[in-house]
Amino acid sequence: QSVLTQPPSVSAAPGQKVTISCSGSSSNIGNNYVSWYQHLPGTAPKLLIYDNDKRPSGIPDRFSGSKSGTSATLGITGLQTGDEADYYCQTWDSSLSGYVFGTGTEVSVL
Amino acid sequence: EVQLVESGGGLIQPGGSLRLSCAASGFTVSSNYMIWVRQAPGKGLEWVSVVYRGGGTKYADSVRGRFTTSRDNSKNTVYLQMNSLRAEDTAVYYCTRDPITMKDAFDIWGQGTMVTVSS
Repeated sequence: QSVLTQPPSVSAAPGQKVTISCSGSSSNIGNNYVSWYQHLPGTAPKLLIYDNDKRPSGIPDRFSGSKSGTSATLGITGLQTGDEADYYCQTWDSSLSGYVFGTGTEVSVL
Repeated sequence: EVQLVESGGGLIQPGGSLRLSCAASGFTVSSNYMIWVRQAPGKGLEWVSVVYRGGGTKYADSVRGRFTTSRDNSKNTVYLQMNSLRAEDTAVYYCTRDPITMKDAFDIWGQGTMVTVSS
């Protein structure tokens, strides 16, 4: 059972925007950096955001990240059918002394 | 090219053992934190283990005492030795790295290897 909570699913029409929340606590998000991943089951997860709000080379600026207190948010603008996937937040948990992932959010393009 | 390639998965009976390998190319495993992550069928991603640059290790509570991660610097390969396997260990196992320059983020992932624990 994950210590980071995400909505099970979000959806929007092509071209629209979605946001995915990730709720944690002071032992994880509140005092550590957050990363976000895109994952199609059976394939390698892809790093979208690191250090709360930075994008690796090659990730379009349609993807953005932010953090406030013990919560983080991933935003996807200009939604495309190719964005349909599962998205996970992730950070370090100082109390558990280990990495933790969010529960995951399925993004659907209507 | 920077990449990770896992191998060693398969079908194993409960209580059995299996060793997964993760061969790295394009970078040196000993200069990074090397991590194992798994995804059980229908479930989310779960962190399993990490081996640090100095060789120290940490494990998730669900595998501590049963799994051991290690690396062979000469082969630039990381391993996950899995003992006393249970049905709930059935998952795709991914190898990934924390390059440290990104704080606690995993930038390179392998394609994964499937482990099925069943009689």
